[in-house]
Amino acid sequence: QITLKESGPTLVKPTQTLTLTCTFSGFSLTTRGVGVGWIRQPPGKALEWLTVIYWNDDKRYRQSLKSRVTITKDTSKNQVVLTMTNMNPVDTATYYCAHSHLWEPFDYWGQGTLVTVSS
Amino acid sequence: QSVLTQPPSASGTPGQRVTISCSGSSSNIESNYVYWYQQLPGTAPKVLIYSNNQRPSGVPDRFSGSKSGTSASLAISGLQSEDEAEYSCAAWDDSLNGVVFGGGTKLTVL
Repeated sequence: QITLKESGPTLVKPTQTLTLTCTFSGFSLTTRGVGVGWIRQPPGKALEWLTVIYWNDDKRYRQSLKSRVTITKDTSKNQVVLTMTNMNPVDTATYYCAHSHLWEPFDYWGQGTLVTVSS
Repeated sequence: QSVLTQPPSASGTPGQRVTISCSGSSSNIESNYVYWYQQLPGTAPKVLIYSNNQRPSGVPDRFSGSKSGTSASLAISGLQSEDEAEYSCAAWDDSLNGVVFGGGTKLTVL
């Protein structure tokens, strides 16, 4: 049974750096073809893909956020970490981590965590 | 502005069949698998359809997916009140090198 869960701060100040951790179980990020990614959804708006990391450490980033976003993995802990710098109120959203296969959308999702950017 | 285009809303009465469209391009829908998600308020997206037309176990066969060229569709037959939700499509985009989503369609069961 595949499960994922996001953890991290619920409130960050403008210009601060956001760090979110995705802890997963039921699969290994050392298995060929497997990936874990991050998606966000501002209140009342559409889903927006941010980044994905694959079993071979290949990483892909949303072009418009590439300078601000970093994704890393720790296979020994079954965790993936999202770092987003210079947070702005427009980054207020529910952030989801999710499981995927190579070059495909996401099939298993975490419950999401609401991050509010406000001073 | 989402890369994949969906109608913002759709509606139907109980028992009816409704379809939701998802329009893309040669770099996403035409060349890659399409997924469909159902999202109830306050919850995470749930996969209804993967690989264009495959249903995960537990998803009723009232839900079906299809793809033709640069467009895809989700059909829901025998509409039920619990189908009232937001539906979104997604695909990998070879040009953008990432996953693209539709803007979502809010389905209302009248």
